[in-house]
This record gives sequence, C-alpha cells and structure tokens, in this order.
Amino acid sequence: GESVGLHLPTLSVQEGDNSIINCAYSNSASDYFIWYKQESGKGPQFIIDIRSNMDKRQGQRVTVLLNKTVKHLSLQIAATQPGDSAVYFCAENTNTGKLIFGQGTTLQVKP
Amino acid sequence: GAVVSQHPSWVICKSGTSVKIECRSLDFQATTMFWYRQFPKQSLMLMATSNEGSKATYEQGVEKDKFLINHASLTLSTLTVTSAHPEDSSFYICSAPGPTGLSEKLFFGSGTQLSVL
Repeated sequence: GESVGLHLPTLSVQEGDNSIINCAYSNSASDYFIWYKQESGKGPQFIIDIRSNMDKRQGQRVTVLLNKTVKHLSLQIAATQPGDSAVYFCAENTNTGKLIFGQGTTLQVKP
Repeated sequence: GAVVSQHPSWVICKSGTSVKIECRSLDFQATTMFWYRQFPKQSLMLMATSNEGSKATYEQGVEKDKFLINHASLTLSTLTVTSAHPEDSSFYICSAPGPTGLSEKLFFGSGTQLSVL
C-alpha cells in the first residue's frame, strides 16, 4: 500500500550544528505534509506543515522543503539543541483524509 | 493549541482481561478521533477512525471485535482492548482534528503504554 518512508533511522549531530532529516513519500496525490516530533513515551507534537502548492516553509528554527518532482520532504533544524533530541516523523495527508506516518528518524544531539 | 487528554498513561494487565483507554478533547468538540498503535522503534499505524454517534471505521487487518471503539460524546472516545494478550502490548495514541475540524492537522494525546503479562 501507500507509505511514507525515511532514508536514515538515526541522525547524530553536534550541538549547535544544523540538522537535516529526510523523508520520501509515495502518494503523488498527497497535498499536505506535516513534521512531528515525538519524545520517548509521549504522543507526537506538531512542528511544521506545508501544502503541496509550496516548496518551502519556515518556522522559528525549522524549515521544511518539499520537492514534488521526486516526492521528497526534508526538515531542517538550525542550531540544533539537546532538547531537539527525539524521533521525527513526516506524515502525509492523503486524499482519503487520513494521516499516514513515515518510519521515523531518531535525532541524537551530542553536547 | 487544542488539548487532547488520554488516560491512563500506562497500564499493566493479565492476559485475557480487557483494558479501556479514554481519549478526551478538553477545550473543543471532536466528532472524529483517530486511534493509532505504535510498537517500539516503529511508526504510528492508524487502527481506526472513531465517529461520534456512529460506528467506527477500522483499517484493514484490525479486528473490530478485539478493539472496541465507542465515541459516546463530542469530547470522549474510548478504545477497549478485549481479551488482551501479550502481542497486544503496545503504545496506543489517540488524536483529534482540533477546533477547526480539519482532519489533516491532528492533535495527539500523550499515549497509553499497555503491557500484557
């Protein structure tokens, strides 16, 4: 079936560096994408979203890039902090109205 | 933002017993709620869509009789794991669209860790 996947299961970065988390999606009909952050034992927390009519959207320290040609999504975190350590999921909203999650990337921030 | 409260946060039960998990929208009404299951180091898998006043819609492969969903009011949905077995041990998470009602942007509860002995 349709799925959203991530390229790397774990990303380790130095505190202060920028982080880039990637995601590939397969449903070309999806028109809305979200990045979630999940800390251990907690529910997902909304980070940023983007619609398919955009290719870039910026938040406070985060930027989401969307490349519809290759069906690729990325999350960039600037000046990564220890509090950013978590699992990050991309999710796509399909034309069925359901949210499908990718496999997740664990971000480890080294002090 | 919208707050979704989930209870209990963790539960341990004996094999064969039933466990009920509650999901409440605290400051808004939710005609639809979603239930997800997450195994360790895996992604969230949608189990079912809970609809206020009507039957839940289950995803393929999810047993309706095992995972009973009731959406009794506009602020409460419950998931009951009946005759739980060790393989049902998982992290269960509910979500709701929030005050706008847009199903594309979900707010999540804090999850329930179920451990079946």
